[in-house]
Amino acid sequence: KAGVTQTPRYLIKTRGQQVTLSCSPISGHRSVSWYQQTPGQGLQFLFEYFSETQRNKGNFPGRFSGRQFSNSRSEMNVSTLELGDSALYLCASRGGVATNEKLFFGSGTQLSVL
Amino acid sequence: GQQVMQIPQYQHVQEGEDFTTYCNSSTTLSNIQWYKQRPGGHPVFLIQLVKSGEVKKQKRLTFQFGEAKKNSSLHITATQTTDVGTYFCAGYNAGNNRKLIWGLGTSLAVNP
Repeated sequence: KAGVTQTPRYLIKTRGQQVTLSCSPISGHRSVSWYQQTPGQGLQFLFEYFSETQRNKGNFPGRFSGRQFSNSRSEMNVSTLELGDSALYLCASRGGVATNEKLFFGSGTQLSVL
Repeated sequence: GQQVMQIPQYQHVQEGEDFTTYCNSSTTLSNIQWYKQRPGGHPVFLIQLVKSGEVKKQKRLTFQFGEAKKNSSLHITATQTTDVGTYFCAGYNAGNNRKLIWGLGTSLAVNP
């Protein structure tokens, strides 16, 4: 079974631009979560989607948005990029939303904002 | 809001020494999960603890969940260079299990 696939792997943007990141979950997984990771800040939760609906949202500004498609693939969009948005963006999928469901992470998209 | 504190933030050991990282929650957890992230990699699930006082072992790794389900620990016996990475704990609030709350992680470095 293929793992969680994130594209692109690396991205360089300039301030003010927008960016869209993609995540394909493990086949059969209906939940996709997004995290921002910066050195020393751990994993900051952005949002979780389940069956095309946003189930949970973290404390990020409205510039960060996401969506999930009927095939469970998910995209994350960041508009009006700021230097502080430079980070590793990780996507994680799980089969359902029960608390005993473990997360499977993708390799991430490393975003650099110049 | 609910927090999961994880200590220490960094730990540097000689190969063969033991290592422990601790997680403490401000509220009762329904369960706790542990993940390991190797340098340059992504978090990988290690284990889940659900029951009060639960202890689980994976070879040299021992995981404990506190009696009050507010704290947890990961102990590695006789560390090896393959243990290098960042260890994260994450748990669901027993009263609101919709969001996984993460510790900031403990980064382990092992000198050969």
